[in-house]
Amino acid sequence: DGGITQSPKYLFRKEGQNVTLSCEQNLNHDAMYWYRQDPGQGLRLIYYSQIVNDFQKGDIAEGYSVSREKKESFPLTVTSAQKNPTAFYLCASTRTQNQPQHFGDGTRLSIL
Amino acid sequence: GQQVMQIPQYQHVQEGEDFTTYCNSSTTLSNIQWYKQRPGGHPVFLIQLVKSGEVKKQKRLTFQFGEAKKNSSLHITATQTTDVGTYFCAGPEGGSNYKLTFGKGTLLTVNP
Repeated sequence: DGGITQSPKYLFRKEGQNVTLSCEQNLNHDAMYWYRQDPGQGLRLIYYSQIVNDFQKGDIAEGYSVSREKKESFPLTVTSAQKNPTAFYLCASTRTQNQPQHFGDGTRLSIL
Repeated sequence: GQQVMQIPQYQHVQEGEDFTTYCNSSTTLSNIQWYKQRPGGHPVFLIQLVKSGEVKKQKRLTFQFGEAKKNSSLHITATQTTDVGTYFCAGPEGGSNYKLTFGKGTLLTVNP
C-alpha cells in the first residue's frame, strides 16, 4: 500500500533537546510538507519542499529545521529554540501543484 | 497575506439534522479543497472544486464554490454519527500553487 509513514507516534522532549520527527512516503510525490496543529486550531505550515534538495519556510518556521536529501524523506527537527513545541505534527505530500495533499498519521510531541 | 476564514467554529446537531460550514477567502482562489479530520486522526481529502459556481455531490455531502471563487460551502444532509469530525477548507496561497492556506475548521458533533 502506498502512503505516508510518520514516526514516532508519540515523542517526549526534554528542555534544551533537539528532536527529529520522521516522515517517509512511497507515493512518488514531488512535494512534501510539515504542519503543526494545536488543539482547536487549523493547520499551520512549518516548511515545505517542492523538489529534492530544496525547501521553503512556511508561516511558523522559527525553531524548526528540515532536510530533503531524498524524494521519499522529509525529516523535521524541532530545536531547543522552539519554546512551545507541544503540538500535533502532520506530514503531507502531494504529487504536483494544485493536487490534494495526503497526510500521515501524525506525531504528538510533548515536553517532559 | 491570504486569509481563509471558516464559520462556524463549532456545530452540534441532532442526528438527522442538516449541517453547513462556510469558507471565505480574502483573495480569489484557483481552486478550493475540503478535508475531514476525525477525532484523533489526520486530515483526509474530500474534494476539490475548480470552476466558478461549481457544485459537487458525494452522497449526503454537497460542496459549492462561489461565483467569485472566494467562498465555498459544505452541506451535509441528514447527519449521521459517522459525520463527526473537523471539516477544513484550504486554498492555494497566491503565487504558489504548492502552498495551501487552511481555514481553522468547523468541528461537527452529532448527538445520536
